[in-house]
Amino acid sequence: ETGVTQSPTHLIKTRGQQVTLRCSSQSGHNTVSWYQQALGQGPQFIFQYYREEENGRGNFPPRFSGLQFPNYSSELNVNALELDDSALYLCASSLDGVGTDTQYFGPGTRLTVL
Amino acid sequence: AQKVTQAQTEISVVEKEDVTLDCVYETRDTTYYLFWYKQPPSGELVFLIRRNSFDEQNEISGRYSWNFQKSTSSFNFTITASQVVDSAVYFCALGGKAAGNKLTFGGGTRVLVKP
Repeated sequence: ETGVTQSPTHLIKTRGQQVTLRCSSQSGHNTVSWYQQALGQGPQFIFQYYREEENGRGNFPPRFSGLQFPNYSSELNVNALELDDSALYLCASSLDGVGTDTQYFGPGTRLTVL
Repeated sequence: AQKVTQAQTEISVVEKEDVTLDCVYETRDTTYYLFWYKQPPSGELVFLIRRNSFDEQNEISGRYSWNFQKSTSSFNFTITASQVVDSAVYFCALGGKAAGNKLTFGGGTRVLVKP
């Protein structure tokens, strides 16, 4: 158990809708990273938040957005859902946003877009 | 750009056999960090080990051991005396400040341990 929690566990949406995924970081961690994992592939980095500011972004379009709250929990928002957005979304927390800390992952949210 | 390659897509062994997972990486960083994660069917990525680029000493932790060779950019991982509970997908990952604080993952190796 890493202490990182995510909600919801599963979600089904239709194309064009919007979705919000939530993540609570491990106690004492101020950095949250989000990853998308398509079936049969390795996770792909979406973005990272460090002390409520975006601290790095992967190759994802602007319709993927996020924020981090003062308690360091985080949300991932995806607008205008597409079929290819169907994936496991993983949240990871780490001690500090310096790129060298071990990232500890939550159980993930499985999103299905129909 | 950073890249991680796990050439083995699936390995099947019988319980108590040793399993070695290969990982080859590419990076321009002079200081970087390598990780192995385990992903059981439940989906959660479980941190196993971490290695810093400036420390090439190989270690053993319980049934896990790793072989880090900077000269060949490889970071191989071995499970000794495999057990059925070791069945999972294993990911090698690369991190470093120059990479923008992200982890770059390989495609994963599925390990199936048969009783």
